[in-house]
Amino acid sequence: DAKTTQPNSMESNEEEPVHLPCNHSTISGTDYIHWYRQLPSQGPEYVIHGLTSNVNNRMASLAIAEDRKSSTLILHRATLRDAAVYYCILRDSSGGYQKVTFGTGTKLQVIP
Amino acid sequence: DTGVSQDPRHKITKRGQNVTFRCDPISEHNRLYWYRQTLGQGPEFLTYFQNEAQLEKSRLLSDRFSAERPKGSFSTLEIQRTEQGDSAMYLCASSPFKGLNTGELFFGEGSRLTVL
Repeated sequence: DAKTTQPNSMESNEEEPVHLPCNHSTISGTDYIHWYRQLPSQGPEYVIHGLTSNVNNRMASLAIAEDRKSSTLILHRATLRDAAVYYCILRDSSGGYQKVTFGTGTKLQVIP
Repeated sequence: DTGVSQDPRHKITKRGQNVTFRCDPISEHNRLYWYRQTLGQGPEFLTYFQNEAQLEKSRLLSDRFSAERPKGSFSTLEIQRTEQGDSAMYLCASSPFKGLNTGELFFGEGSRLTVL
């Protein structure tokens, strides 16, 4: 899996939007952008993924730059439950199986 | 379906002892993964099964580590002659096979190992 770069930590006030950036300058045309998050003392959970177009689901939105070298996970109204480590991962959709590699992610702190 | 189940959730052992962790994936998920996570780090890939076949092992998986998935359902991860450096959270994940290799991974809550 190609490498991604994320800030180590971010803060947000409760009920405000949060924009979590991810840089992936070496992304290939067949790489999907995935986001997972890990709440304290739990395993990671899937948040969202996309290829080229922006994506929305009940948890978040994913905005993908036109050149695909960066993306942003958007939490529209942060809650205390959103305090977690957020991982941005690239997954190659071509060929056979490839392992999923996690970086150190962004630790999001939500301030009441 | 209750998700990926791991047992035990916590294990404290003395250096040199053997430990075994079990993972029950979501039924009909043919892909199963083991990861290890230490404090402040992201999960590190250990090994991957497709059905009963172990298709990839990380260099992190020393000879003291062995994983099996005998019938393509549950999996076990055994650590022999544990060392203090083995203290970590051991995470199991499963996923259905999807042709584009982008299937979502479903993680269990992990098994935390403390080696004294």
